[in-house]
Amino acid sequence: GENVEQHPSTLSVQEGDSAVIKCTYSDSASNYFPWYKQELGKGPQLIIDIRSNVGEKKDQRIAVTLNKTAKHFSLHITETQPEDSAVYFCAASNGKGGSQGNLIFGKGTKLSVKP
Amino acid sequence: NAGVTQTPKFRILKIGQSMTLQCTQDMNHNYMYWYRQDPGMGLKLIYYSVGAGITDKGEVPNGYNVSRSTTEDFPLRLELAAPSQTSVYFCAGRTLEGAKDYGYTFGSGTRLTVV
Repeated sequence: GENVEQHPSTLSVQEGDSAVIKCTYSDSASNYFPWYKQELGKGPQLIIDIRSNVGEKKDQRIAVTLNKTAKHFSLHITETQPEDSAVYFCAASNGKGGSQGNLIFGKGTKLSVKP
Repeated sequence: NAGVTQTPKFRILKIGQSMTLQCTQDMNHNYMYWYRQDPGMGLKLIYYSVGAGITDKGEVPNGYNVSRSTTEDFPLRLELAAPSQTSVYFCAGRTLEGAKDYGYTFGSGTRLTVV
């Protein structure tokens, strides 16, 4: 089955710097890659996603890149702000039904942005 | 739309007691999921459902039961609460149309403590 590895587990940056979180996946059939942000005491919220027919997607200060050949995808946050501090999860799925198609989550990255 | 709604937000149970965690959604999600998240850890899948009347086990189903009598509701039942079930529980809905995944929408969570 699919396996998603996420690095680093913790990341500390200064306000205004960029942050990059990387994930690798094992199933070449995976075609959907969302990123979730979980603030303290809240449920994970979808912040950006990318499908396998696209190499990069941007939404203001956040971007995701996908390298299908290498089977890895990354989240890039530019001009970080204290409110970006949270736990970020990457995930992958192959769009199939049943247990084979469930989203497989990485273990999370705790991002701290220091003022 | 309210999205995915979980109740209660907090609960303290005594060992051996039972309770039902409620989850309801108004986004017409065909798939629904229950996850648990232990402190500082990632998401572990307990049970999921691909539609009304259909449920299946996830990674950590022991000690839990679910039902899906309607598309909207997906309650999680704990029959004999144990301290190991102290965790934060998240319900999620997902729309999967053909091979196109629209990602998960999470509820705000139920924090359960078993003493």
